[in-house]
Amino acid sequence: AQSVTQLGSHVSVSEGALVLLRCNYSSSVPPYLFWYVQYPNQGLQLLLKYTSAATLVKGINGFEAEFKKSETSFHLTKPSAHMSDAAEYFCAVSDSVGGGTSYGKLTFGQGTILTVHP
Amino acid sequence: GAVVSQHPSRVICKSGTSVKIECRSLDFQATTMFWYRQFPKQSLMLMATSNEGSKATYEQGVEKDKFLINHASLTLSTLTVTSAHPEDSSFYICGGTRDRGRLSYGYTFGSGTRLTVV
Repeated sequence: AQSVTQLGSHVSVSEGALVLLRCNYSSSVPPYLFWYVQYPNQGLQLLLKYTSAATLVKGINGFEAEFKKSETSFHLTKPSAHMSDAAEYFCAVSDSVGGGTSYGKLTFGQGTILTVHP
Repeated sequence: GAVVSQHPSRVICKSGTSVKIECRSLDFQATTMFWYRQFPKQSLMLMATSNEGSKATYEQGVEKDKFLINHASLTLSTLTVTSAHPEDSSFYICGGTRDRGRLSYGYTFGSGTRLTVV
């Protein structure tokens, strides 16, 4: 079984400060990991994904995440927060099927609400 | 890029009635569609997985006779909430993969449906 734990349901930063959203995963097979952002009453927008290529993954809007197998972590960072980054962020893990060639079910973490103060 | 169009975005219905939610993949063939439910201030919970032309696979605790999923074509999947009750009020979102979940394509989510049962 796979699972995701996001440490901190709420994170508050000042505009221009570093954003760090924590995610730890558990998976019995090599994982595929994702970060999504959700604005109120909207769907999910993919920020970035890890699919066993480079461990440092760069995404949209200046976000990046590093896959650390030894720590079972996939933390999301952004060097400088913008007001527009205020939203809820979800870390997710997918199991793989077909010998690792295809995605299976996507399991989401509990979500972290990011607040950005002026 | 791949787009999933989900309708309606919001629906209010009376208790005891049925509501149908549609997800259409506009520019790709969604071989698999995942249906999630999100209660206020909670994460997204997988309800069921449907493969085109096959019966949906429901997660434990999800009533298959209450949440009817149809995935009769590669571009349309529907979720029907039958005999809706206030406790079914939630945010429902679909997410599709193509080519049986090939890694290069990822997941594409709809914009979600806010269901309120009164």
